[in-house]
Amino acid sequence: SAVISQKPSRDICQRGTSLTIQCQVDSQVTMMFWYRQQPGQSLTLIATANQGSEATYESGFVIDKFPISRPNLTFSTLTVSNMSPEDSSIYLCSVSTGTDTQYFGPGTRLTVL
Amino acid sequence: DAKTTQPPSMDCAEGRAANLPCNHSTISGNEYVYWYRQIHSQGPQYIIHGLKNNETNEMASLIITEDRKSSTLILPHATLRDTAVYYCIVKGIEAAGNKLTFGGGTRVLVKP
Repeated sequence: SAVISQKPSRDICQRGTSLTIQCQVDSQVTMMFWYRQQPGQSLTLIATANQGSEATYESGFVIDKFPISRPNLTFSTLTVSNMSPEDSSIYLCSVSTGTDTQYFGPGTRLTVL
Repeated sequence: DAKTTQPPSMDCAEGRAANLPCNHSTISGNEYVYWYRQIHSQGPQYIIHGLKNNETNEMASLIITEDRKSSTLILPHATLRDTAVYYCIVKGIEAAGNKLTFGGGTRVLVKP
């Protein structure tokens, strides 16, 4: 399975600011995804990060709020823009290899004050 | 919406087998059953998946009924470290169906 790292592991931010979360994989992967897990809730898919093109967003998520980049097959970033306390969540990156199984990173715990 | 139904919680005794049920009555022929678990404050961990045959690996066994409408994840000898939320997920095998839709999962507490 792929080894996935995320930076930062946690952060505390002020409302109105933006935070960029990085996801790095130790091998080239076909697909990369970003999920959100709100406190006490299950995971919700935000978007699929597409290499070399715009991300594909799920219903309820928009590019202006969650811009995503994927410059190559091992790296992606998710930015949480103009944050409010409602954005306090764990943000998780996942990747899919040729075996089609998704593997998850450790997550980034975000608190917005 | 998640296509699976799981009990919200269950307890099991350390050293005993833990049997986690999952209903997926609307599963289609090209959809796999995947199991993940999430230990507190960590990212979800892949456990096992199957299409129609029973599967076993070093972590667990997956038993899928013949009609594929339900399955059971078996942890053969539960330890305290198996305390986690367990998610049963139905996922299509084609690229477009690569998304994982998480339901509420089963919160498993392994007790000494």
